[in-house]
Amino acid sequence: KAGVTQTPRYLIKTRGQQVTLSCSPISGHRSVSWYQQTPGQGLQFLFEYFSETQRNKGNFPGRFSGRQFSNSRSEMNVSTLELGDSALYLCASTPGGGVEQFFGPGTRLTVL
Amino acid sequence: AQKVTQAQTEISVVEKEDVTLDCVYETRDTTYYLFWYKQPPSGELVFLIRRNSFDEQNEISGRYSWNFQKSTSSFNFTITASQVVDSAVYFCALSEAVRSGGSNYKLTFGKGTLLTVNP
Repeated sequence: KAGVTQTPRYLIKTRGQQVTLSCSPISGHRSVSWYQQTPGQGLQFLFEYFSETQRNKGNFPGRFSGRQFSNSRSEMNVSTLELGDSALYLCASTPGGGVEQFFGPGTRLTVL
Repeated sequence: AQKVTQAQTEISVVEKEDVTLDCVYETRDTTYYLFWYKQPPSGELVFLIRRNSFDEQNEISGRYSWNFQKSTSSFNFTITASQVVDSAVYFCALSEAVRSGGSNYKLTFGKGTLLTVNP
């Protein structure tokens, strides 16, 4: 089975712009979670989607949003980018009824 | 609120040494899950192990072993006969069941321990 894929792998944006990141889960996995990793804050949970519904959300401002499609693929969007949004954004998928989260390679976002 | 503490920020060992990575957690839930992940320089988090709160059996997988002690809220990870390929950042994580009957969990991670194995 192919693993979790994320596109793009690297992205450079400027302050004020918006960005959309994409995640394709492992085939058959219906839950997708997103995490932000920064040197200062470490790994922080953003949100989780299951069957196109957001079931859980971390403590991030409303500029961070996401969605999930009927094929379980997920996107996250960050609007009005700030320098502090520079981070590695990781996506993980979990099989239905499962507990383990399997991570993709991440998207490295740099905000200038 | 749940919390995971990895007190060791960096550890450096010489190849073939044994090394133990410490993890202490806090949770008010009676049902929870503990994990270890490995993050090599490529950035991808690699799942290593999951332990349920109701299963305190220790586990060994090749050179890796895990010691779960509920009494001290610890879930330590030992690498025996370390190798250069073990060099990575290791994260301990905790998840509580937010809702029952589904895969509705979020992970709380520790800050990670950077392990460097020198030849």
